[in-house]
Amino acid sequence: DQQVKQNSPSLSVQEGRISILNCDYTNSMFDYFLWYKKYPAEGPTFLISISSIKDKNEDGRFTVFLNKSAKHLSLHIVPSQPGDSAVYFCAAKKEGNMLTFGGGTRLMVKP
Amino acid sequence: EAQVTQNPRYLITVTGKKLTVTCSQNMNHEYMSWYRQDPGLGLRQIYYSMNVEVTDKGDVPEGYKVSRKEKRNFPLILESPSPNQTSLYFCASRETAIYEQYFGPGTRLTVT
Repeated sequence: DQQVKQNSPSLSVQEGRISILNCDYTNSMFDYFLWYKKYPAEGPTFLISISSIKDKNEDGRFTVFLNKSAKHLSLHIVPSQPGDSAVYFCAAKKEGNMLTFGGGTRLMVKP
Repeated sequence: EAQVTQNPRYLITVTGKKLTVTCSQNMNHEYMSWYRQDPGLGLRQIYYSMNVEVTDKGDVPEGYKVSRKEKRNFPLILESPSPNQTSLYFCASRETAIYEQYFGPGTRLTVT
């Protein structure tokens, strides 16, 4: 049973527009959330994170929103650039040290 | 340059032939872990280590072994690989109190 789900396997967006990637979770004990980006033939790289005590965290073009009541996380990329084309994974941590990852969403930003 | 290295990057082997995938990090991180990535399932943790000589099971430990004799190295051992262990494997490390992990480039393993 997947506790972290990314229901959209892929997303296509025009350059300059907003990309919104979504993530849902079921375990209310998760207290920290992260987004990773992965290019082909490379390992995932950390993008942005948010603690459960916050509802928004921003870093340049990337903003993560957390809606705890809905158990929903989203990553906004504005404006989207072709170099943002990658697979994005959300991950969640509960007490302890293990991260649980979602299945990933492939973002394609068209020039 | 801060990095996590894995070897080999690609490996094709046969069922039952023992293999080891090495992982090394140069950031003096205490925490290291292994993941496998399968289509639609994301990354699932196999084993992790909080420090030297301290290892623990992740979500999918069956069929794998690890050891942590030195802080920088965390090899993954498949004593008797089977076709269902065909996957893309990632090693990762981080500081204990920070949850953002550094990942290696991955090892694509095929077991026939």
